[in-house]
Amino acid sequence: RKEVEQDPGPFNVPEGATVAFNCTYSNSASQSFFWYRQDCRKEPKLLMSVYSSGNEDGRFTAQLNRASQYISLLIRDSKLSDSATYLCVVNIGSSASKIIFGSGTRLSIRP
Amino acid sequence: ETGVTQTPRHLVMGMTNKKSLKCEQHLGHNAMYWYKQSAKKPLELMFVYNFKEQTENNSVPSRFSPECPNSSHLFLHLHTLQPEDSALYLCASSQGRNTGELFFGEGSRLTVL
Repeated sequence: RKEVEQDPGPFNVPEGATVAFNCTYSNSASQSFFWYRQDCRKEPKLLMSVYSSGNEDGRFTAQLNRASQYISLLIRDSKLSDSATYLCVVNIGSSASKIIFGSGTRLSIRP
Repeated sequence: ETGVTQTPRHLVMGMTNKKSLKCEQHLGHNAMYWYKQSAKKPLELMFVYNFKEQTENNSVPSRFSPECPNSSHLFLHLHTLQPEDSALYLCASSQGRNTGELFFGEGSRLTVL
């Protein structure tokens, strides 16, 4: 089983739609969680950290369920500019090698 | 403009060449990283430096040789590479060594012929 698993997509949704991505992680000792965004042929950029109580940043909401080892990202009122690959990232330990990236979920927003 | 700058952006080299990738961060961070990103695969950590000391080598072949002269600069020296080493090489920095909050450069796209 992969340490961090994501549905690769692609998700193809109309502008204005709400879209949700899920991510599961295998190590129950995981300590911190993040969503990154990567545009085509660009570097990954931190989108938001994920906190136990859930957190929101504008149209983006991240949730963490430790019991189910599951992280989600919800995008409301999607824009064309939201088209990108969304990477789930889990820090499972005390060294940098334990920062594990998922393979990413591709999102394409159509007009 | 990114706080992490990588050069060159694109590099084509033969298997017998020696070349180097350069990374510079302007963020005052302590830790720097090299990652490899191949098509349809997750990012793979290669090396980590903290306060210019190497703290992790993720079982990387010796044909990749990192160098960190100070906390702001990181190099990846390449020699006798294989075609399967063709990938996007990403440099990142962070304030602490074990945080997941990484700031990436735009990457160096390497093609090995």
